[in-house]
Amino acid sequence: GNSVTQMEGPVTLSEEAFLTINCTYTATGYPSLFWYVQYPGEGLQLLLKATKADDKGSNKGFEATYRKETTSFHLEKGSVQVSDSAVYFCALSPYNTDKLIFGTGTRLQVFP
Amino acid sequence: DAMVIQNPRYQVTQFGKPVTLSCSQTLNHNVMYWYQQKSSQAPKLLFHYYDKDFNNEADTPDNFQSRRPNTSFCFLDIRSPGLGDAAMYLCATSGPQGAGNTIYFGEGSWLTVV
Repeated sequence: GNSVTQMEGPVTLSEEAFLTINCTYTATGYPSLFWYVQYPGEGLQLLLKATKADDKGSNKGFEATYRKETTSFHLEKGSVQVSDSAVYFCALSPYNTDKLIFGTGTRLQVFP
Repeated sequence: DAMVIQNPRYQVTQFGKPVTLSCSQTLNHNVMYWYQQKSSQAPKLLFHYYDKDFNNEADTPDNFQSRRPNTSFCFLDIRSPGLGDAAMYLCATSGPQGAGNTIYFGEGSWLTVV
């Protein structure tokens, strides 16, 4: 079956610290991979995506690389800001479908 | 400009009193989804439409129904809300079926059941 596993939160960092949020997946075939961000009280916004192995998605200083050999899509940012505080969801879309299967989400808290 | 618009943002309903949540989109996408997200949990797909073709997830309770009268609008009807149905309901859309299509979410409708 298809599933996504994310590291448990909350992740608590000081401003300008390096961020990694781990995400691994199980899927048949070649899924597309996504990171969505959810700010308090709001819906989900696409942060970045990758549709095939070795693709790197990037946006707003965040990056993630689709690693087929380790079935991973870890989210990284070199220097976090207080405004990055949110819940981050890793998700996959099985090949040739438009359904999203989400991980459980990781809350990030950044303090000044 | 908002592309997936949900109304109302906040809804309080009484136990057992039917409620309808609405969603409209300006993207002309043929796929529309309804997700349920309970506090501190991942969104869970309830159902989705490819055009007018309705696809129900196997574990979606019968209490949840949906209507899509045209491309732009989609409704979620909860026939007899229980306390366990309190959640945020997210509408989403995507374009023609294909690998890696982005799914666009609305801001969500918070449902409280009293």
